[in-house]
Amino acid sequence: NAGVTQTPKFQVLKTGQSMTLQCAQDMNHNSMYWYRQDPGMGLRLIYYSASEGTTDKGEVPNGYNVSRLNKREFSLRLESAAPSQTSVYFCASKGITYNSPLHFGNGTRLTVT
Amino acid sequence: GQQLNQSPQSMFIQEGEDVSMNCTSSSIFNTWLWYKQDPGEGPVLLIALYKAGELTSNGRLTAQFGITRKDSFLNISASIPSDVGIYFCALLTTDSWGKLQFGAGTQVVVTP
Repeated sequence: NAGVTQTPKFQVLKTGQSMTLQCAQDMNHNSMYWYRQDPGMGLRLIYYSASEGTTDKGEVPNGYNVSRLNKREFSLRLESAAPSQTSVYFCASKGITYNSPLHFGNGTRLTVT
Repeated sequence: GQQLNQSPQSMFIQEGEDVSMNCTSSSIFNTWLWYKQDPGEGPVLLIALYKAGELTSNGRLTAQFGITRKDSFLNISASIPSDVGIYFCALLTTDSWGKLQFGAGTQVVVTP
């Protein structure tokens, strides 16, 4: 009964380093999303994948890339990390019905120094 | 773009008190959602509202979709310590991919 699993849970990077945040869901959901959460700003959409093989930009895509590896997995890559990317990152997935709810993972806390 | 305002930003309440928070949008939407985020975890859906005027309860939680379709409120009655967390309203965008736009959140702290 895992739902949405994110790894790692915590990460510290130096400015300019790269890393990939991993996300996997076991609910056979079509759509997957990456959000970032910053204090006082709610959650903002970075990228999403409406279905396997497609990805699209959200509200704040700059500095990120994504890969929908297969139906289960959706990864987020930071090619050259910047302090402004210090945040908590959440992956989410949802089923095919328009108003089916988003299911979130427990987040990756990233600090860029 | 679409403006979504959530208030208050934070609330410090005593156990047993009622809590009320609300969200307003600058545009009309068809679906309002309320999520709760426990410390160290991802948000979890509490209540979904799909029709103007709809009033829905989930235990001690009650939420309403405003008749103007531009606002919603969430009430928590008789608060308990486990109500601590951040509560978010969210709107479902009108495209077919179900992207959510979130309010900034209301931090609720419950003291014994």
